[in-house]
Amino acid sequence: DTVLTQSPALAVSPGERVSISCRASEGVNSYMHWYQQKPGQQPKLLIYKASNLASGVPARFSGSGSGTDFTLTIDPVEADDTATYFCQQSWNDPRTFGGGTKLELK
Amino acid sequence: EVQLVESGGGLVQPGRSLKLSCAASGFTFSNYGMAWVRQTPTKGLEWVASISTGGGNTYYRDSVKGRFTISRDNAKNTQYLQMDSLRSEDTATYYCARHFNWEGFDYWGQGVMVTVSS
Repeated sequence: DTVLTQSPALAVSPGERVSISCRASEGVNSYMHWYQQKPGQQPKLLIYKASNLASGVPARFSGSGSGTDFTLTIDPVEADDTATYFCQQSWNDPRTFGGGTKLELK
Repeated sequence: EVQLVESGGGLVQPGRSLKLSCAASGFTFSNYGMAWVRQTPTKGLEWVASISTGGGNTYYRDSVKGRFTISRDNAKNTQYLQMDSLRSEDTATYYCARHFNWEGFDYWGQGVMVTVSS
């Protein structure tokens, strides 16, 4: 299975820019997607196919990358962005998710 | 508004069966592939199974092949996950999710808890 590796946690101040990384154990082309999950809620799609903003998602969120290295950027970070962010690939079977990066605000 | 509402979860003994349902509304159900994704604190998010728009094509992760069956009834706007021979490692919150262009998952239900324990 394709393993997606994310840093466990990050802490930033409101108004700053934050980049969340996701590294795949093998190439996934551009078929990487990003989700936000707040405590007690279901995941929400933010970015699909590496860099495309999902419907209704603020333009503060952006994605980049291809192959094995991908980044989700939030600029500027707002208090409401406190959540866990997951990457997910759909190029290789089975579809797999990263372990998540918990974003905390200082 | 797109809504996915799961039901059927609960506590079940190892080796027994459980059937989850997901009632969809707010979109043309028959136009979308659907999936089940589960989540645990230890293993995180795991894709479990997917089904094509008409139900003719189904896909499973290896650990549930032969034990779980995904199906759908487009007339009832509902998808199902029949889970047989349940194991303790199947304990998780199960989410119903809509496929987005057969890639990511653009809408998720609130999730239903399944606990496999004696």
